[in-house]
Amino acid sequence: DQQVKQNSPSLSVQEGRISILNCDYTNSMFDYFLWYKKYPAEGPTFLISISSIKDKNEDGRFTVFLNKSAKHLSLHIVPSQPGDSAVYFCFFSRGSQGNLIFGKGTKLSVKP
Amino acid sequence: DTAVSQTPKYLVTQMGNDKSIKCEQNLGHDTMYWYKQDSKKFLKIMFSYNNKELIINETVPNRFSPKSPDKAHLNLHIKSLELGDSAVYFCASSQGRNYEQYFGPGTRLTVT
Repeated sequence: DQQVKQNSPSLSVQEGRISILNCDYTNSMFDYFLWYKKYPAEGPTFLISISSIKDKNEDGRFTVFLNKSAKHLSLHIVPSQPGDSAVYFCFFSRGSQGNLIFGKGTKLSVKP
Repeated sequence: DTAVSQTPKYLVTQMGNDKSIKCEQNLGHDTMYWYKQDSKKFLKIMFSYNNKELIINETVPNRFSPKSPDKAHLNLHIKSLELGDSAVYFCASSQGRNYEQYFGPGTRLTVT
Protein backbone atom coordinates (compact mmCIF):
# COMPACT_ATOMS: atom_id res chain seq x y z
CA ASP A 1 0.00 0.00 0.00
CA GLN A 2 1.58 3.29 -1.08
CA GLN A 3 0.44 5.07 2.08
CA VAL A 4 3.27 3.31 3.86
CA LYS A 5 6.83 2.65 2.75
CA GLN A 6 9.26 0.37 4.53
CA ASN A 7 11.99 0.62 1.98
CA SER A 8 14.77 -1.51 3.44
CA PRO A 9 14.00 -5.18 2.88
CA SER A 10 16.97 -6.24 5.00
CA LEU A 11 19.43 -4.94 7.56
CA SER A 12 22.51 -6.59 9.01
CA VAL A 13 23.97 -5.41 12.31
CA GLN A 14 26.73 -6.57 14.62
CA GLU A 15 25.73 -7.77 18.07
CA GLY A 16 25.89 -4.96 20.62
CA ARG A 17 25.43 -2.22 18.04
CA ILE A 18 22.31 -0.18 17.33
CA SER A 19 19.69 -1.37 14.84
CA ILE A 20 17.57 1.33 13.21
CA LEU A 21 14.49 0.39 11.24
CA ASN A 22 12.49 2.96 9.33
CA CYS A 23 9.08 3.55 7.81
CA ASP A 24 7.67 6.53 5.94
CA TYR A 25 4.02 7.31 5.47
CA THR A 26 1.90 9.76 3.51
CA ASN A 27 -1.46 9.67 5.31
CA SER A 28 -1.45 12.42 7.95
CA MET A 29 -4.65 10.95 9.41
CA PHE A 30 -2.77 8.02 10.97
CA ASP A 31 -2.84 8.44 14.72
CA TYR A 32 -1.45 5.24 16.21
CA PHE A 33 1.76 3.57 15.18
CA LEU A 34 3.14 0.19 16.16
CA TRP A 35 6.02 -2.17 15.52
CA TYR A 36 5.64 -5.90 15.27
CA LYS A 37 8.31 -8.58 15.17
CA LYS A 38 7.86 -11.83 13.28
CA TYR A 39 9.83 -15.06 13.41
CA PRO A 40 9.46 -17.64 10.62
CA ALA A 41 6.37 -19.84 10.85
CA GLU A 42 4.93 -17.74 13.67
CA GLY A 43 2.45 -14.90 13.86
CA PRO A 44 3.65 -11.33 14.39
CA THR A 45 4.31 -10.25 17.98
CA PHE A 46 3.55 -6.76 19.23
CA LEU A 47 6.71 -4.92 20.20
CA ILE A 48 6.05 -1.26 20.95
CA SER A 49 3.62 1.51 20.04
CA ILE A 50 3.32 5.28 19.95
CA SER A 51 0.39 7.63 19.54
CA SER A 52 0.44 10.74 17.41
CA ILE A 53 0.57 12.99 20.47
CA LYS A 54 4.04 11.73 21.36
CA ASP A 55 7.35 11.71 19.55
CA LYS A 56 9.16 9.02 21.51
CA ASN A 57 8.36 5.91 23.50
CA GLU A 58 10.83 3.59 25.19
CA ASP A 59 10.57 0.03 26.42
CA GLY A 60 13.83 -1.47 27.54
CA ARG A 61 16.14 -1.84 24.57
CA PHE A 62 13.44 -0.68 22.16
CA THR A 63 12.64 2.95 21.37
CA VAL A 64 10.14 4.15 18.81
CA PHE A 65 10.43 7.65 17.35
CA LEU A 66 7.71 9.51 15.49
CA ASN A 67 8.48 12.56 13.38
CA LYS A 68 5.09 13.83 12.30
CA SER A 69 6.35 16.68 10.20
CA ALA A 70 8.53 14.32 8.19
CA LYS A 71 5.93 11.53 8.38
CA HIS A 72 8.64 9.17 9.55
CA LEU A 73 8.54 6.35 12.07
CA SER A 74 11.62 4.55 13.33
CA LEU A 75 12.54 1.78 15.74
CA HIS A 76 15.87 1.73 17.55
CA ILE A 77 17.16 -1.42 19.19
CA VAL A 78 20.12 -0.93 21.52
CA PRO A 79 22.07 -3.07 22.10
CA SER A 80 21.12 -5.49 19.35
CA GLN A 81 21.17 -9.18 20.23
CA PRO A 82 21.18 -12.27 17.97
CA GLY A 83 17.71 -13.13 19.28
CA ASP A 84 16.45 -9.91 17.72
CA SER A 85 16.97 -11.43 14.27
CA ALA A 86 13.49 -11.44 12.76
CA VAL A 87 11.30 -9.53 10.32
CA TYR A 88 10.07 -6.21 11.68
CA PHE A 89 6.84 -4.64 10.46
CA CYS A 90 5.65 -1.12 11.07
CA PHE A 91 1.88 -0.80 11.47
CA PHE A 92 -0.33 2.23 11.01
CA SER A 93 -3.90 2.90 12.06
CA ARG A 94 -6.39 5.74 11.80
CA GLY A 95 -8.93 6.26 14.53
CA SER A 96 -11.28 3.50 15.53
CA GLN A 97 -12.48 2.83 12.02
CA GLY A 98 -9.46 0.99 10.90
CA ASN A 99 -7.42 1.80 7.84
CA LEU A 100 -4.95 -0.69 9.27
CA ILE A 101 -1.80 -0.97 7.21
CA PHE A 102 1.37 -3.00 7.65
CA GLY A 103 4.67 -2.05 6.07
CA LYS A 104 6.35 -4.61 3.84
CA GLY A 105 8.77 -5.66 6.57
CA THR A 106 12.52 -5.43 7.15
CA LYS A 107 14.50 -8.57 7.85
CA LEU A 108 16.98 -7.83 10.61
CA SER A 109 20.01 -10.07 11.05
CA VAL A 110 22.11 -9.55 14.16
CA LYS A 111 25.47 -11.25 13.84
CA PRO A 112 27.37 -12.48 16.90
CA ASP B 1 -1.85 -22.24 27.21
CA THR B 2 -2.21 -20.80 23.71
CA ALA B 3 -3.60 -17.26 23.60
CA VAL B 4 -4.77 -17.24 19.97
CA SER B 5 -5.15 -20.56 18.21
CA GLN B 6 -6.01 -21.39 14.64
CA THR B 7 -7.04 -24.66 13.05
CA PRO B 8 -5.90 -26.15 10.84
CA LYS B 9 -2.26 -25.08 10.64
CA TYR B 10 -1.98 -26.38 7.08
CA LEU B 11 -4.73 -26.75 4.53
CA VAL B 12 -4.24 -28.17 1.05
CA THR B 13 -7.27 -28.27 -1.19
CA GLN B 14 -8.33 -28.14 -4.82
CA MET B 15 -9.77 -25.24 -6.75
CA GLY B 16 -13.49 -24.87 -6.41
CA ASN B 17 -13.72 -26.37 -2.94
CA ASP B 18 -15.18 -24.64 0.11
CA LYS B 19 -13.11 -24.53 3.29
CA SER B 20 -13.13 -22.97 6.74
CA ILE B 21 -10.44 -21.80 9.11
CA LYS B 22 -11.23 -21.51 12.78
CA CYS B 23 -9.81 -19.05 15.29
CA GLU B 24 -10.20 -18.92 19.03
CA GLN B 25 -8.73 -16.57 21.62
CA ASN B 26 -8.71 -17.09 25.39
CA LEU B 27 -7.50 -13.59 26.29
CA GLY B 28 -10.93 -12.13 26.91
CA HIS B 29 -10.44 -9.64 24.07
CA ASP B 30 -13.43 -8.06 22.39
CA THR B 31 -11.93 -7.45 18.95
CA MET B 32 -10.73 -10.04 16.45
CA TYR B 33 -9.16 -9.79 13.00
CA TRP B 34 -8.27 -11.78 9.91
CA TYR B 35 -5.18 -10.94 7.90
CA LYS B 36 -3.80 -12.43 4.69
CA GLN B 37 -0.07 -12.71 4.02
CA ASP B 38 0.50 -13.29 0.34
CA SER B 39 3.45 -14.82 -1.48
CA LYS B 40 5.30 -11.50 -1.35
CA LYS B 41 4.93 -11.51 2.43
CA PHE B 42 2.57 -8.50 2.48
CA LEU B 43 0.22 -8.59 5.46
CA LYS B 44 -3.21 -7.15 4.68
CA ILE B 45 -6.26 -6.72 6.87
CA MET B 46 -9.34 -8.54 5.65
CA PHE B 47 -11.93 -8.26 8.42
CA SER B 48 -12.35 -7.15 11.97
CA TYR B 49 -15.09 -7.83 14.49
CA ASN B 50 -15.73 -5.95 17.71
CA ASN B 51 -18.11 -7.63 20.13
CA LYS B 52 -19.36 -9.85 17.32
CA GLU B 53 -20.06 -6.83 15.10
CA LEU B 54 -18.26 -6.43 11.77
CA ILE B 55 -16.31 -3.16 11.90
CA ILE B 56 -13.73 -3.58 9.14
CA ASN B 57 -14.48 -5.18 5.82
CA GLU B 58 -11.72 -4.49 3.35
CA THR B 59 -11.96 -5.08 -0.36
CA VAL B 60 -12.13 -8.84 -0.23
CA PRO B 61 -14.02 -11.12 -2.67
CA ASN B 62 -17.43 -12.03 -1.31
CA ARG B 63 -16.35 -15.66 -1.48
CA PHE B 64 -14.75 -14.88 1.87
CA SER B 65 -17.17 -14.65 4.78
CA PRO B 66 -16.23 -14.23 8.41
CA LYS B 67 -18.47 -15.54 11.15
CA SER B 68 -18.22 -14.65 14.82
CA PRO B 69 -20.42 -16.93 16.96
CA ASP B 70 -19.13 -15.25 20.13
CA LYS B 71 -16.41 -12.83 21.20
CA ALA B 72 -13.84 -15.61 21.56
CA HIS B 73 -14.23 -17.02 18.07
CA LEU B 74 -13.86 -15.67 14.55
CA ASN B 75 -14.03 -18.18 11.73
CA LEU B 76 -13.26 -17.62 8.08
CA HIS B 77 -15.27 -19.42 5.41
CA ILE B 78 -14.03 -19.45 1.85
CA LYS B 79 -16.15 -20.61 -1.07
CA SER B 80 -15.05 -21.72 -4.51
CA LEU B 81 -11.36 -21.54 -3.74
CA GLU B 82 -9.04 -20.13 -6.39
CA LEU B 83 -5.30 -20.48 -6.93
CA GLY B 84 -4.80 -16.86 -5.85
CA ASP B 85 -6.26 -17.63 -2.43
CA SER B 86 -3.09 -19.54 -1.57
CA ALA B 87 -1.52 -17.61 1.30
CA VAL B 88 -0.97 -17.65 5.03
CA TYR B 89 -4.00 -16.44 6.96
CA PHE B 90 -3.49 -14.95 10.41
CA CYS B 91 -6.09 -14.42 13.06
CA ALA B 92 -5.49 -11.80 15.75
CA SER B 93 -7.24 -10.28 18.73
CA SER B 94 -6.98 -7.11 20.79
CA GLN B 95 -8.80 -5.41 23.61
CA GLY B 96 -10.65 -2.57 22.02
CA ARG B 97 -9.26 -0.99 18.93
CA ASN B 98 -5.83 -0.15 20.27
CA TYR B 99 -4.34 -2.47 17.68
CA GLU B 100 -1.87 -4.06 20.10
CA GLN B 101 -2.85 -7.34 18.67
CA TYR B 102 -2.05 -10.90 19.60
CA PHE B 103 -1.65 -13.08 16.55
CA GLY B 104 -2.27 -16.76 16.01
CA PRO B 105 0.39 -18.97 14.41
CA GLY B 106 -1.18 -18.74 10.96
CA THR B 107 -2.88 -21.18 8.60
CA ARG B 108 -1.04 -21.94 5.40
CA LEU B 109 -3.64 -22.48 2.67
CA THR B 110 -2.50 -24.07 -0.57
CA VAL B 111 -4.95 -24.30 -3.44
CA THR B 112 -3.99 -26.70 -6.24
